[in-house]
Amino acid sequence: SQTIHQWPATLVQPVGSPLSLECTVEGTSNPNLYWYRQAAGRGLQLLFYSVGIGQISSEVPQNLSASRPQDRQFILSSKKLLLSDSGFYLCAWTGGRDETQYFGPGTRLLVL
Amino acid sequence: KQEVTQIPAALSVPEGENLVLNCSFTDSAIYNLQWFRQDPGKGLTSLLLIQSSQREQTSGRLNASLDKSSGRSTLYIAASQPGDSATYLCAAISPGNQFYFGTGTSLTVIP
Repeated sequence: SQTIHQWPATLVQPVGSPLSLECTVEGTSNPNLYWYRQAAGRGLQLLFYSVGIGQISSEVPQNLSASRPQDRQFILSSKKLLLSDSGFYLCAWTGGRDETQYFGPGTRLLVL
Repeated sequence: KQEVTQIPAALSVPEGENLVLNCSFTDSAIYNLQWFRQDPGKGLTSLLLIQSSQREQTSGRLNASLDKSSGRSTLYIAASQPGDSATYLCAAISPGNQFYFGTGTSLTVIP
């Protein structure tokens, strides 16, 4: 069966520090991968999606970047965090026969 | 751009009651529609996916319907239980496989 992992689960970082969040998927190949951010009391905002290795599409201009160095690995990064980067970051994938989107457990980021 | 709205934003019902959650979308040219559940501090769990050629899907006490022409989907929960308390989100899925989420309905089932 397929599983999706995210780490770390929680992260507290000072303003101006770098960021690297990792997402990996097991049990499938060539998935579409997504990064979302969920701010407190708000809906999910799509940040990036990828249909293959090295292929990244960005939905909104921002302080973040994404990379897909391997088929089942998706990384969210920042060189310098802002206070507004705080939130709950969710990774997801699609590509199974049932066309369903599956989510990871999320990373809660607090920038101080 | 696709916009998805969920009404009501919050709902509180006594245990055992049947209830309906609403989801509306502005662009009827969707590929699929998916309903999720989110518990506090957790990721999203898929409940039901309705393909564009279908009108409804059922899983246990859950039934989701889709009317593309009117831009609406409903999630029906029968005989609600306290364990159903969570935030329910719908997502309209474009032909390009992009997911557009509503802001969710926070459901509380009172024992």
